[in-house]
Amino acid sequence: SQTIHQWPATLVQPVGSPLSLECTVEGTSNPNLYWYRQAAGRGLQLLFYSIGIDQISSEVPQNLSASRPQDRQFILSSKKLLLSDSGFYLCAWSAGGSYSNQPQHFGDGTRLSIL
Amino acid sequence: QKEVEQDPGPLSVPEGAIVSLNCTYSNSAFQYFMWYRQYSRKGPELLMYTYSSGNKEDGRFTAQVDKSSKYISLFIRDSQPSDSATYLCARVRIQGAQKLVFGQGTRLTINP
Repeated sequence: SQTIHQWPATLVQPVGSPLSLECTVEGTSNPNLYWYRQAAGRGLQLLFYSIGIDQISSEVPQNLSASRPQDRQFILSSKKLLLSDSGFYLCAWSAGGSYSNQPQHFGDGTRLSIL
Repeated sequence: QKEVEQDPGPLSVPEGAIVSLNCTYSNSAFQYFMWYRQYSRKGPELLMYTYSSGNKEDGRFTAQVDKSSKYISLFIRDSQPSDSATYLCARVRIQGAQKLVFGQGTRLTINP
């Protein structure tokens, strides 16, 4: 069966520091991968999605970037964190294919607090 | 107008009650719909996935899609305290890679 792992679960960082959040998927090949942010009491905002290695699309302009160095690894990064980057970051995967309508499956997220 | 709108609640009902959760959507294209359940400090968990109009049942959960009114619903029968969570509706928007547009989520509490 497929599993998705995210770490760390909780992170407290000072303003201006760098960020690296990692997500890995097991049990599937060539998945579509996604990064979301969920602000308190709000729905999920799609940040990045990827249909393959080094194929990443950004949904909204922001202080963050994403990379996919391996088929089942997705990394969310920032060079300098802002206070507004605080939130709950979720990684998700779905079965691959450009026109797939398969559901997405989420990890348990990273709660990021910027001080 | 948001693509998917959902009443944020909170909604509080007694154990055993039938719960009705609702969303409306504005774009008629790509009509796949999903319901997710999210416990506090956890990622969303897929509950139901529907395409056509009508009902889809899975145990105590029923998802209903009414495309004519652009309305999607999730019914929970015999609600349990363990059903207390935030419920998110989502619509699939396929543009090169599958994307989901989420509602705000409804926070539900089932009181014993």
